[in-house]
Amino acid sequence: GESVGLHLPTLSVQEGDNSIINCAYSNSASDYFIWYKQESGKGPQFIIDIRSNMDKRQGQRVTVLLNKTVKHLSLQIAATQPGDSAVYFCAEIPSSGTYKYIFGTGTRLKVLA
Amino acid sequence: NAGVTQTPKFRVLKTGQSMTLLCAQDMNHEYMYWYRQDPGMGLRLIHYSVGEGTTAKGEVPDGYNVSRLKKQNFLLGLESAAPSQTSVYFCASSTGTGRNTEAFFGQGTRLTVV
Repeated sequence: GESVGLHLPTLSVQEGDNSIINCAYSNSASDYFIWYKQESGKGPQFIIDIRSNMDKRQGQRVTVLLNKTVKHLSLQIAATQPGDSAVYFCAEIPSSGTYKYIFGTGTRLKVLA
Repeated sequence: NAGVTQTPKFRVLKTGQSMTLLCAQDMNHEYMYWYRQDPGMGLRLIHYSVGEGTTAKGEVPDGYNVSRLKKQNFLLGLESAAPSQTSVYFCASSTGTGRNTEAFFGQGTRLTVV
């Protein structure tokens, strides 16, 4: 079946630097994408989303980029802080008439002091 | 606003025992989901519900049953627990209206089957 995946399982960045977390998706019919943050021992929390008719969306310190040509999604975190340390998941919703989210395996972000 | 609440938070079962995980949401969401999360793997959908009284199988439904008797509650049952069901279980809910809606997650239930 089709799935959402991530290029890097672990990313270490210095505090204050920018972080970029990548995600590849395989279902070209997906029309909605979400990034989640999961801290240790907690459930995933919504960070930002993007529709397939957009290629960029910005939030507070976060930006999501969508490249439909190569089916690639990225999450950029500006001025990474210790509190950003977590596992980040991308998720897609295929436009198949169902509302089932497909999650990637996740990337662990470690912020170094 | 509590959001999505799961009970219990932790549980240890012996092989063959049964149990029910409870998920409650106070956001009047139509859609509810049960996922399991295992090391090195993404969240995998067990069962889901698109409304009160409805349930459907997800990616890994074997060994589990669910019920949605009330809109705000979604129960996940294990009739005869097996060590392979050791996992962290997450419940989620979403509005289900429109196509651009995020899922809200509970804090998880860590289940160990010995």
